[in-house]
Amino acid sequence: DIQMTQSPSTLSASEGDRVTITCRASQSISGWLAWYQLKPGRVPKLLIYKASSLESGVPSRFSGTGSGTEFTLTISSLQPGDFATYYCQQYNSYPWTFGQGTKVESK
Amino acid sequence: QVQLVQSGGGVVQPGRSLRLSCAASGFTFRTYALHWVRQAPGKGLEWMSFISFDGSDQSYADSVKGRFTISRDNLNNTLYLQMNSLRPEDTAVYYCTRWGGGSSGLDYWGQGTLVTVSS
Repeated sequence: DIQMTQSPSTLSASEGDRVTITCRASQSISGWLAWYQLKPGRVPKLLIYKASSLESGVPSRFSGTGSGTEFTLTISSLQPGDFATYYCQQYNSYPWTFGQGTKVESK
Repeated sequence: QVQLVQSGGGVVQPGRSLRLSCAASGFTFRTYALHWVRQAPGKGLEWMSFISFDGSDQSYADSVKGRFTISRDNLNNTLYLQMNSLRPEDTAVYYCTRWGGGSSGLDYWGQGTLVTVSS
């Protein structure tokens, strides 16, 4: 199975900050990576697919890069509604796997 | 609009069975692959299972393989998850979710249903 490792596990930031989350795969997944946002009491929301494609309706301050085994999610200017937990997920091969999550909290 | 409405959760004793349902509307159900994802209390997201658009192909996480069965009814636009031999570690919120197709991710999610396995 492909293991997905995110860093950091928790990130403290302020409104307006540039935030970067890293996701590493235990083997190459080409560009088959998605990013999701999860807030308490809400359902997961797809942000990025195919490593760098922005899902329709998602603000352009979210961006994704990477291929192979290393990927990043960047929020260019953190907004109040962005405090949440973010997950990467590989869909290169079954079983699909998620990273352990990165919680973005208010500094 | 796309909707996935879940039902069937609840409290069940270890070793018993439960079936989750996910009723879809707002899209051509028979042309999309579907998945189940869960989140245990205080834990992260865990992918559970996949079924192809026509039901001919399935895949499962090792943690549920042999105990859970995914199926779909393309006439009634409904996805199912039959969960047998339930264990306390299966306690979680379960989500049905649609794979957007091609290179897309999991683009629409059900509201989630809580399954609690406890004696």
